[in-house]
Amino acid sequence: KAGVTQTPRYLIKTRGQQVTLSCSPISGHRSVSWYQQTPGQGLQFLFEYFSETQRNKGNFPGRFSGRQFSNSRSEMNVSTLELGDSALYLCASRAGNSNYGYTFGSGTRLTVV
Amino acid sequence: AQSVTQLGSHVSVSEGALVLLRCNYSSSVPPYLFWYVQYPNQGLQLLLKYTSAATLVKGINGFEAEFKKSETSFHLTKPSAHMSDAAEYFCAVISGAGSYQLTFGKGTKLSVIP
Repeated sequence: KAGVTQTPRYLIKTRGQQVTLSCSPISGHRSVSWYQQTPGQGLQFLFEYFSETQRNKGNFPGRFSGRQFSNSRSEMNVSTLELGDSALYLCASRAGNSNYGYTFGSGTRLTVV
Repeated sequence: AQSVTQLGSHVSVSEGALVLLRCNYSSSVPPYLFWYVQYPNQGLQLLLKYTSAATLVKGINGFEAEFKKSETSFHLTKPSAHMSDAAEYFCAVISGAGSYQLTFGKGTKLSVIP
């Protein structure tokens, strides 16, 4: 059974640009969550999607957005990149409404220069 | 609001020694608790989870954790450290049903000395 797949693994962008990250959940999982990991702030929740609907959003500016498609794949977008957006972005999927099993992908390492 | 405190950002143990990583949580409702491990340049791997079925939870790679409600703790232990255990460990909480976000501690980096 394939795990959570995040693409690309590494990305370098220039300040002011925008970026789109992709996450393909485990087959059958309808929930996808996104987290940002930085050395200073640790792991912080961005948002969670279930059946194409955003159910919860963390405390991030509106430059951070996301969506989920009918096949449960999810994308997150960051517009007008800032140096502080450099981070590891992790995606997690889980089946249904269970709190038991969040499976994480390997992440996308975004560097803003 | 829920929160997690991990005591000690760095812990060093000798190979073969006991591993003890501390986690305390705050939650207004019965929580779900998790321990994750992260190796360099990788995502998070679930070690174990507490979902109210049993207070002593056994996980992968010989790790276990005990939920102590009176102490609001969920410490992670392993009787004998192995070199391959060197990684960063994160404790996380979800406060009850209807909540969909993991709140993580700051992490504890475990070093294993040969």
